[in-house]
Amino acid sequence: ETGVTQTPRHLVMGMTNKKSLKCEQHLGHNAMYWYKQSAKKPLELMFVYNFKEQTENNSVPSRFSPECPNSSHLFLHLHTLQPEDSALYLCASSQDHGTEAFFGQGTRLTVV
Amino acid sequence: GEDVEQSLFLSVREGDSSVINCTYTDSSSTYLYWYKQEPGAGLQLLTYIFSNMDMKQDQRLTVLLNKKDKHLSLRIADTQTGDSAIYFCAESIASGAGSYQLTFGKGTKLSVIP
Repeated sequence: ETGVTQTPRHLVMGMTNKKSLKCEQHLGHNAMYWYKQSAKKPLELMFVYNFKEQTENNSVPSRFSPECPNSSHLFLHLHTLQPEDSALYLCASSQDHGTEAFFGQGTRLTVV
Repeated sequence: GEDVEQSLFLSVREGDSSVINCTYTDSSSTYLYWYKQEPGAGLQLLTYIFSNMDMKQDQRLTVLLNKKDKHLSLRIADTQTGDSAIYFCAESIASGAGSYQLTFGKGTKLSVIP
C-alpha cells in the first residue's frame, strides 16, 4: 500500500465511449502525475499538477483530459480513444519540494 | 537515443547476486531511483541515491553511482524468487514550481531461476 489509490484497476472501453480514471492520494503531497506505460517503451510522463495547477503537458492528445479538483484527487477523462492508447496508466504523487514519487497500482486500459 | 538506458533482461540463479545497470544522460539529475514492478502491480520505490553520493546500501540492496560516467547500478545480494520483477531506473530533474520530472528507462526484467 503506497498511499496512492487508482480506480478502476481494469477498464475496457470502445472507441466512442467516455470514461474517467481516478487517482487519490492520502500522503498530503502537493504534486500529482499521470504516466503512461506501454509495452516495450519507456514510461511516459503525461501531465503534472502542482498545487492543483497544471505545470506540464507533454504533448498529450486532447482525447486525454486531466482534472485536478484538489491536491488529493486527480482524474483523467478519456474520450474517443484509439486502440494504440491501450496501456497501463499510472498515477503518482510527490511532496512539493521532495523528489520521491509514490505510484498507484495503475489502471490497465484496453481500447477495443 | 533514450535519456535513460537499461538492458531489458537478466536471469540469475537463486542465491546469486544480481546486478542491474543503467546509464543516464542529464548531468543535472538530483536524485536517481530504482523502482520495482511486480506482475500486475504499479511501481514500488525500492531505493534512491542523491547525486552527490557514490554508494548507498540498504539490507540486500547496494546502489552504486558513477557520476562521471553517468552510470547507476543496483546490486541485489542473495537473490530470491520473490525478487523476480521488472526494475526501472529513473532520474529526477527539477521541472519548475516545486515539482520534479522523473525520466524512466524501459525496465530490466529480472528472472530468478530456482
